[in-house]
Amino acid sequence: AQKVTQAQTEISVVEKEDVTLDCVYETRDTTYYLFWYKQPPSGELVFLIRRNSFDEQNEISGRYSWNFQKSTSSFNFTITASQVVDSAVYFCALRSYNTDKLIFGTGTRLQVFP
Amino acid sequence: DVKVTQSSRYLVKRTGEKVFLECVQDMDHENMFWYRQDPGLGLRLIYFSYDVKMKEKGDIPEGYSVSREKKERFSLILESASTNQTSMYLCASSPGLAGDPYEQYFGPGTRLTVT
Repeated sequence: AQKVTQAQTEISVVEKEDVTLDCVYETRDTTYYLFWYKQPPSGELVFLIRRNSFDEQNEISGRYSWNFQKSTSSFNFTITASQVVDSAVYFCALRSYNTDKLIFGTGTRLQVFP
Repeated sequence: DVKVTQSSRYLVKRTGEKVFLECVQDMDHENMFWYRQDPGLGLRLIYFSYDVKMKEKGDIPEGYSVSREKKERFSLILESASTNQTSMYLCASSPGLAGDPYEQYFGPGTRLTVT
């Protein structure tokens, strides 16, 4: 069975702090894709990143970085120097190679206070 | 840019009413999806469609049906709305071919309240 676990329900930080959102997944597939989405208060899910199972290289995009480790089945997301605009619900998701379905975690609500 | 639109942002309906939620995408995507989002449960797939007139049940199809008469439009139907269907409904679309590493594109959501 496939599963995505986001154990952190809610995180509160003060602006400029670094914050890491955890994502642990379960799958028996050897080829799969991992995603992070952001859902701001407006409601629309915004795609942030996709990672292939055969590419464990970490990625950095501005203040955002992602750490993919197959050995621990984790795909963690770090925001450096957080800003109020980062306040949102963040979802991690998993998709197998041979399906169109996404399996979502339950999300982590991040609140960044000024 | 891919654009996915949903007919309403907020909707209030009475128990027993038939409810239609409409979703339109403008990028000629083969796949379209309907999810519901509830606190603590994340997004759960209701139905998806991989082609016109084709549909497959997701994880929670009970109480829902769907229609896809045109490629760009995917409708979610609540035949007889109940209070436990009060939720946020999100539509998404994506290109076809399961083997490709594509993402899903989401609409703004419809917050449905059934009273």
